[in-house]
Amino acid sequence: DTEVTQTPKHLVMGMTNKKSLKCEQHMGHRAMYWYKQKAKKPPELMFVYSYEKLSINESVPSRFSPECPNSSLLNLHLHALQPEDSALYLCASSQDYGVIRGDTQYFGPGTRLTVL
Amino acid sequence: SQQGEEDPQALSIQEGENATMNCSYKTSINNLQWYRQNSGRGLVHLILIRSNEREKHSGRLRVTLDTSKKSSSLLITASRAADTASYFCATNEIIRNFGNEKLTFGTGTRLTIIP
Repeated sequence: DTEVTQTPKHLVMGMTNKKSLKCEQHMGHRAMYWYKQKAKKPPELMFVYSYEKLSINESVPSRFSPECPNSSLLNLHLHALQPEDSALYLCASSQDYGVIRGDTQYFGPGTRLTVL
Repeated sequence: SQQGEEDPQALSIQEGENATMNCSYKTSINNLQWYRQNSGRGLVHLILIRSNEREKHSGRLRVTLDTSKKSSSLLITASRAADTASYFCATNEIIRNFGNEKLTFGTGTRLTIIP
């Protein structure tokens, strides 16, 4: 199974709502990632979890709160978002956090988020 | 920022023709990867080339790397309609204050194959 799943596929929320994005992988990967992608732009890294611990937070606003309940699951909790946060949110995983040696990252299909 | 620049930004060719995309980056790298993204979907890893390699093949894909010019190219031969997608190069970038490295994606080339 080389699949990363993400739910929901689409999400529309108001600025006062609280919602969560979910990501799951069963490949035994120990590194998981959240990326944000605006239209016609490349993905931008938000967070990295390695062995269920937060390794990197790329100066992401606190209205985005990641959580890694176990090695297979990654959540992104959303609260008080702004319209400019509307984007495609991609989850990815890799065998380990080995950018230098070139660990392949496997991406989920993404959640299309619209903030009204 | 290490973010690579890709060229062209958009490319339209007839089915069966070859497509070439270029990527330039700024600092030294350990490896360079190419990913494909179908419209509004997740990315799919295509190929990785290490800094000590000059050329690599995978099926209809050919990647070259010139570390002296800090550039790479992706060639897709005998293109098919299913190759229509955005293509991104990705390199490692050191994150200040963390000592870790992250994958940084180039600006991307949007490829359209005309049947």
